[in-house]
Amino acid sequence: QKEVEQDPGPLSVPEGAIVSLNCTYSNSAFQYFMWYRQYSRKGPELLMYTYSSGNKEDGRFTAQVDKSSKYISLFIRDSQPSDSATYLCAMNTNAGKSTFGDGTTLTVKP
Amino acid sequence: DADVTQTPRNRITKTGKRIMLECSQTKGHDRMYWYRQDPGLGLRLIYYSFDVKDINKGEISDGYSVSRQAQAKFSLSLESAIPNQTALYFCATALAGGRGYNEQFFGPGTRLTVL
Repeated sequence: QKEVEQDPGPLSVPEGAIVSLNCTYSNSAFQYFMWYRQYSRKGPELLMYTYSSGNKEDGRFTAQVDKSSKYISLFIRDSQPSDSATYLCAMNTNAGKSTFGDGTTLTVKP
Repeated sequence: DADVTQTPRNRITKTGKRIMLECSQTKGHDRMYWYRQDPGLGLRLIYYSFDVKDINKGEISDGYSVSRQAQAKFSLSLESAIPNQTALYFCATALAGGRGYNEQFFGPGTRLTVL
């Protein structure tokens, strides 16, 4: 079984919708939780990171971590066509390497 | 701008050929990584290096080798390419120490096709 499982998608929503992207994990040693965004034909870029359980907000994006349930989410409010991309969750311990989810491809239709 | 570059960007080769993918960075980062990305399988770690003298296998190192020629250069080799190595390959770098969340900076990718 994979250490990190991500809701596979693809996801297609109308512009302005609220989007929820989710991952679960099995390794209790994971301490840092990240979301990367990957546009077509590009490398992934870090979007947000969190350390502890709770919520972290950055503009239209909110990252949520529930360590007790080993569950993380990324919420996108007022989604825009420019948000269309593949979103990858990633997690790491202090060991300097990350474990990535398989990615969820999001399309926001105008 | 400090950057991560990969060469070539696209490569088509034949089964049995030796292939080298190169990665260079101007970010001054110590940590460098090689991943492959396949549809539906996310990013899988092939090899990683925390400094010039440190090379580590990732989860899928069979059939691959690497060389860390300098802090800024990390090459991935396929000694004898096979069709199931057809994939998108990414190099990434990260700053050692400090930031526990280990933000990685990715290159633009190399699309490799093995016929």
